[in-house]
Amino acid sequence: DGGITQSPKYLFRKEGQNVTLSCEQNLNHDAMYWYRQDPGQGLRLIYYSQIVNDFQKGDIAEGYSVSREKKESFPLTVTSAQKNPTAFYLCASSITSGTYTGELFFGEGSRLTVL
Amino acid sequence: EDQVTQSPEALRLQEGESSSLNCSYTVSGLRGLFWYRQDPGKGPEFLFTLYSAGEEKEKERLKATLTKKESFLHITAPKPEDSATYLCAVHLGAAGNKLTFGGGTRVLVKP
Repeated sequence: DGGITQSPKYLFRKEGQNVTLSCEQNLNHDAMYWYRQDPGQGLRLIYYSQIVNDFQKGDIAEGYSVSREKKESFPLTVTSAQKNPTAFYLCASSITSGTYTGELFFGEGSRLTVL
Repeated sequence: EDQVTQSPEALRLQEGESSSLNCSYTVSGLRGLFWYRQDPGKGPEFLFTLYSAGEEKEKERLKATLTKKESFLHITAPKPEDSATYLCAVHLGAAGNKLTFGGGTRVLVKP
């Protein structure tokens, strides 16, 4: 089945450590996104990529980094510079051709807790 | 500043008790408004796209409408399985397919 796979589902980090969240898709979508969700809040965009080897900052990119070396993969690194990293992280993908429908396909999310 | 505001934050309904959720926006250059459903601990699931004022979309017990300032998600005769957080988002047509999300409405339907 086509879809988006995020791993790990749960992750615990000590302060000062970098962690990398994995996101893989087999939908053949060009665009991929990373969102952060805090309890009781909506989604905020961290980074997005519309094509391989290119990505743009979203609204809250500070303390995060990404790479897009393959169409299928868009890993997110939460660095020690991110002051409040405990959150639910969601990866998504979408098509970029044709009429834009706003349909994002989301993974199951990764919950990061800083100890 | 572009904003998307959803109300109420939470809604408790009895099974069969119809209600409406609101999504108001103060953005310029709106190119689309979208509704998503999110179950606890899961990623959001796409429901509807609305492009212009007066447009309506339906899916089972859900009906979404759009005016120039806001959108409503009507839930008719809800069932417990309709319990979820409903998120709205807007597309401003800026570079890239970026969506700006509201804070969501948590809906609980009790049997």
